[in-house]
Amino acid sequence: KAGVTQTPRYLIKTRGQQVTLSCSPISGHRSVSWYQQTPGQGLQFLFEYFSETQRNKGNFPGRFSGRQFSNSRSEMNVSTLELGDSALYLCASSLEDRNTEAFFGQGTRLTVV
Amino acid sequence: AQSVAQPEDQVNVAEGNPLTVKCTYSVSGNPYLFWYVQYPNRGLQFLLKYITGDNLVKGSYGFEAEFNKSQTSFHLKKPSALVSDSALYFCAVRVPSRGSTLGRLYFGRGTQLTVWP
Repeated sequence: KAGVTQTPRYLIKTRGQQVTLSCSPISGHRSVSWYQQTPGQGLQFLFEYFSETQRNKGNFPGRFSGRQFSNSRSEMNVSTLELGDSALYLCASSLEDRNTEAFFGQGTRLTVV
Repeated sequence: AQSVAQPEDQVNVAEGNPLTVKCTYSVSGNPYLFWYVQYPNRGLQFLLKYITGDNLVKGSYGFEAEFNKSQTSFHLKKPSALVSDSALYFCAVRVPSRGSTLGRLYFGRGTQLTVWP
């Protein structure tokens, strides 16, 4: 069974640009969550999607948005990029059961210059 | 507010010796507890979880963790460390929330484990 796939793996963008990151969950998983990882702040929750609906949102500005498609694939978008948005963005997929673990993709390393 | 603490940024241990990576948590309600490991330039890899039942849970690669409700702790342990265990370890807690299918994961800051030969 294929794992969680995130594309692209690496991205370099300029301040002010926007970026879209993609996540394909494990087959059969309908819940997708996004996390931002930085050395200073650690792992921070961005959003959680289930059946194309955002169920939970972390404390990030409105420049960060996401969506989920009918096939459970998810995208997140960051507009008007800032230097501080440089981070590893991790996507996780789960079965819709609180007892189960989340499976993480390898992440997208975003560098804003 | 929900929180997870990993009091040690770094743990160093000799190969063959037992290792412990500490985790304490503060949440409302009954938590679901997890340990993940991260190797350089990789995502997080699941090690083990505690949901309910026996306080000692066993996971991948010989790791185990002990849940202590009175001390609100969930320490990761391994009887005999390997050099290949060197990595960044994260403790996480899931807290169910209204309207959410699963509930978000709250992570500790991570503990860098180094096992020297």
